[in-house]
Amino acid sequence: DTGVSQDPRHKITKRGQNVTFRCDPISEHNRLYWYRQTLGQGPEFLTYFQNEAQLEKSRLLSDRFSAERPKGSFSTLEIQRTEQGDSAMYLCASSSEGWMGGETQYFGPGTRLLVL
Amino acid sequence: GQQLNQSPQSMFIQEGEDVSMNCTSSSIFNTWLWYKQDPGEGPVLLIALYKAGELTSNGRLTAQFGITRKDSFLNISASIPSDVGIYFCAGPLNNDMRFGAGTRLTVKP
Repeated sequence: DTGVSQDPRHKITKRGQNVTFRCDPISEHNRLYWYRQTLGQGPEFLTYFQNEAQLEKSRLLSDRFSAERPKGSFSTLEIQRTEQGDSAMYLCASSSEGWMGGETQYFGPGTRLLVL
Repeated sequence: GQQLNQSPQSMFIQEGEDVSMNCTSSSIFNTWLWYKQDPGEGPVLLIALYKAGELTSNGRLTAQFGITRKDSFLNISASIPSDVGIYFCAGPLNNDMRFGAGTRLTVKP
């Protein structure tokens, strides 16, 4: 399968614990995006990378959230000191061009996080 | 936060019926995107629109980019059971990708 993959698909954790999610984009895509989606809502943009550079961060991305893409390939999203409000689906997408038009973002299946 | 308003929030239709849904915003968009999301999966891009007034089809799906650049419409003709899912409109705004809250479509056989 050459699509976007995410790991794990599901994560249950206790409040206060740290969690890390991984995203493997489509191999030739240089742009990678993270979104958060809560029940009944559309995805909300968190951050994006072009190659290894993190170019945009939403104000939704609090200090407890950090994302990396060290070699310009896979990316990780870490949430420190998780809170119940962090429970959501975390989606990753990748594309090969800029998102101001002319590009297609391909989404992964998401990681569903439940914080108890 | 989200600035795209989708309506209706949900639709229950009979197989074979046509479907119309729309997305409006107080902001001007230069690109409109329509996605479909199945339960437990990420959204899949259906149609992308890049010019005001543009009408684009993808099989039984047709989408239009409103003349004011503040709205877009998606139509599905002759619905089938596999059309079930949540349909999202989206567009880039201020270096951010905005999504609507979605229209949940149920198709009764």
